[in-house]
Amino acid sequence: NAGVMQNPRHLVRRRGQEARLRCSPMKGHSHVYWYRQLPEEGLKFMVYLQKENIIDESGMPKERFSAEFPKEGPSILRIQQVVRGDSAAYFCASSPLPAGGRNEQFFGPGTRLTVL
Amino acid sequence: DQQVKQNSPSLSVQEGRISILNCDYTNSMFDYFLWYKKYPAEGPTFLISISSIKDKNEDGRFTVFLNKSAKHLSLHIVPSQPGDSAVYFCAAKTDSWGKFQFGAGTQVVVTP
Repeated sequence: NAGVMQNPRHLVRRRGQEARLRCSPMKGHSHVYWYRQLPEEGLKFMVYLQKENIIDESGMPKERFSAEFPKEGPSILRIQQVVRGDSAAYFCASSPLPAGGRNEQFFGPGTRLTVL
Repeated sequence: DQQVKQNSPSLSVQEGRISILNCDYTNSMFDYFLWYKKYPAEGPTFLISISSIKDKNEDGRFTVFLNKSAKHLSLHIVPSQPGDSAVYFCAAKTDSWGKFQFGAGTQVVVTP
């Protein structure tokens, strides 16, 4: 059973370009979470999605960032017009139970975004 | 608003000795706590958890203690092994919502 998969593992973009980060949850998991880790900091929650629904996006910057988890295919975190401050490691996690479940989240290996 | 705090950014411990990692939180609504371990260039992996109805949970060499009145939890690793060298994150959530609040992490280095 493959774990959470993220691609690409490393992504380099120039300022103003778009970045697309993909996350395939573990088999049987329908809950996806995105976190961002800035240098020297812990993981910061960004968004929680279920299939075709955004449940909580309270951690998402109001502009340039969007996320989706379509009925088919991976979850996508999209960052438009990237700036240097977007450089970070972006982690996706998935879980099998809904929000109230007392369960851990399983993390992917992360995508390291570097904005030149 | 940092609701989960790990005030020690790093910890060095000798192999075979005890590692004690501390975590403080401010939100009294948190009632489920977890510790994650992270190696460089990898995602965090779940280590151990504790519910607020307990004050201790043990799994092999790892024990987590919870003091609700002090809003404090700790992770004990006994005995420490070189493979334990990693960053350890404390995380907390309320029962009604899925997102975790993470601490900034503690880098543990186990020396021979």
